Amino acid sequence: AQKVTQAQTEISVVEKEDVTLDCVYETRDTTYYLFWYKQPPSGELVFLIRRNSFDEQNEISGRYSWNFQKSTSSFNFTITASQVVDSAVYFCALSEAQVGAGNMLTFGGGTRLMVKP
Amino acid sequence: DVKVTQSSRYLVKRTGEKVFLECVQDMDHENMFWYRQDPGLGLRLIYFSYDVKMKEKGDIPEGYSVSREKKERFSLILESASTNQTSMYLCASTPRVMNTEAFFGQGTRLTVV
Repeated sequence: AQKVTQAQTEISVVEKEDVTLDCVYETRDTTYYLFWYKQPPSGELVFLIRRNSFDEQNEISGRYSWNFQKSTSSFNFTITASQVVDSAVYFCALSEAQVGAGNMLTFGGGTRLMVKP
Repeated sequence: DVKVTQSSRYLVKRTGEKVFLECVQDMDHENMFWYRQDPGLGLRLIYFSYDVKMKEKGDIPEGYSVSREKKERFSLILESASTNQTSMYLCASTPRVMNTEAFFGQGTRLTVV
């Protein structure tokens, strides 16, 4: 069975600090996909990134970066120079490659990030 | 702008009531999902549907049922609401393409008293 663990339940930082959100996953499949979603106070989950298990290149998008390490089954997310607007709950999720019906996601417990001015 | 719309943001129901949570998507997606969100537990899959009139149980289907009579609409039904079903409910949809991003509604915060 697949599992996603986000050990940090809450993180509080001051604006402009860098912050890393940890994600560790378990799966028996060799082909799988990892995701990060952001849930602002409005409630709607917003897609941030998708990474497949064969692509271990790190990715940077503006102030956001992701570090995928298969050797440690981790997919960590770093926000550089955090801003108040980054305050949200962040979820890491996993889906296994499957034919037909699917796209089911297994989510971690989420990390609530609070960025103080 | 693509959208997944849930009919209510907040609901308060009494124990034993039959509750309907409605979700509509305008993206012509084949797959639709209902998740339940609880603090520390993340989102857990209740039911999903990959076609009209098709449904599959997720991880926590007990106490829930679903209905999908039209492609764009997916309803979650609590046959007899209980206090332990107080939670945030999120609907999502994806196209049939494998492992693509999901689009979520804003959520319905249900309180059962």
